[in-house]
Amino acid sequence: EPEVTQTPSHQVTQMGQEVILRCVPISNHLYFYWYRQILGQKVEFLVSFYNNEISEKSEIFDDQFSVERPDGSNFTLKIRSTKLEDSAMYFCASSGVGSSYNEQFFGPGTRLTVL
Amino acid sequence: AQRVTQPEKLLSVFKGAPVELKCNYSYSGSPELFWYVQYSRQRLQLLLRHISRESIKGFTADLNKGETSFHLKKPFAQEEDSAMYYCALSDEGNDYKLSFGAGTTVTVRA
Repeated sequence: EPEVTQTPSHQVTQMGQEVILRCVPISNHLYFYWYRQILGQKVEFLVSFYNNEISEKSEIFDDQFSVERPDGSNFTLKIRSTKLEDSAMYFCASSGVGSSYNEQFFGPGTRLTVL
Repeated sequence: AQRVTQPEKLLSVFKGAPVELKCNYSYSGSPELFWYVQYSRQRLQLLLRHISRESIKGFTADLNKGETSFHLKKPFAQEEDSAMYYCALSDEGNDYKLSFGAGTTVTVRA
């Protein structure tokens, strides 16, 4: 069964450094999402991506964040200058068609630790 | 703005006992609600969605619009049901992004 994959599983970085989190969504899916979960808190929506552009973003997704789908398979989340409070689990998800009928499939997550 | 509340952080039951996980929501439109489950060291996965009215692994959930609730129930809990459970609401007006509750950790004891 196809799965969403994410790399790396764990990323440790110094404050102020740039990080790129990578995701490979399920191949025929059209909607892509990033969520994050700070330890002990709820899973929060960051951004959705459709038709090669951001379609919705939360207030968390400020100018330090960007997303790309550079080659038709990868879907990346870049944090330009990491802060301590960016430490969290980051989940990528994809769904086939934009509909509440359609399940969002989640990746295993990348744990980002900012020191 | 939509909001999902799961009042219980932790729930511990004995094997064979009924289990009910509470979920309440606030949403101005017509809600689409889901339960996601995360077993130990596994990814988030869909357990069930209200629109399909199905029973998965013995779990059911009924949308009660009057009480704005979508509680998850299972009459006889099994040890393999131990997991983190998240109630989520899909926002049709915003690319179907999911708004999650805080989650409930269920432990089923032998």
